[in-house]
Amino acid sequence: NAGVTQTPKFQVLKTGQSMTLQCAQDMNHNSMYWYRQDPGMGLRLIYYSASEGTTDKGEVPNGYNVSRLNKREFSLRLESAAPSQTSVYFCASSDPGGGFANYGYTFGSGTRLTVV
Amino acid sequence: GESVGLHLPTLSVQEGDNSIINCAYSNSASDYFIWYKQESGKGPQFIIDIRSNMDKRQGQRVTVLLNKTVKHLSLQIAATQPGDSAVYFCAETPGFKTIFGAGTRLFVKA
Repeated sequence: NAGVTQTPKFQVLKTGQSMTLQCAQDMNHNSMYWYRQDPGMGLRLIYYSASEGTTDKGEVPNGYNVSRLNKREFSLRLESAAPSQTSVYFCASSDPGGGFANYGYTFGSGTRLTVV
Repeated sequence: GESVGLHLPTLSVQEGDNSIINCAYSNSASDYFIWYKQESGKGPQFIIDIRSNMDKRQGQRVTVLLNKTVKHLSLQIAATQPGDSAVYFCAETPGFKTIFGAGTRLFVKA
């Protein structure tokens, strides 16, 4: 099925551990995004990649790094996890240049991360 | 800062009734607006969108209304069904980035 695939779906980390969240899309979208979702906070942008080869900081980038490996894949890395990074992480993609109907985001199903 | 807000955090409606979910946006430069639906344990799902040169757009059982004068957006769901129970987000796009609201939870009573 076409869409955005995120792995893993669940993860528990100890404070200080590192991990990489993987995201891949098969819709040939140019832009990809990483959001975190916390209760009462809505979706907050961590990093985004407007096109292959570029990445930019979003609203809450501290403690994270990203890699746009190719057009399909966009990974998010936590170098030293902290309890404040406990959240649900969503990857999304879009194709702003693809016309009106394609301007919205397609989201993955999320990664539920707990840092203890 | 810029924000997209929602008038009601929760909305409870009877099955078969129409639902109206409201949203206020703050950036007058926003030219594109989207409603998303998020079911429990899933990612947000695109429902319907509207550009700033329109004031109404209809989909299947859903209608989005845009009032640029008062910076207000609404989502109307006709004949609400149990499967419509979810959190609904509005979003505005002033340029490349998208700003999401916190969401309204819709409960559908059988």
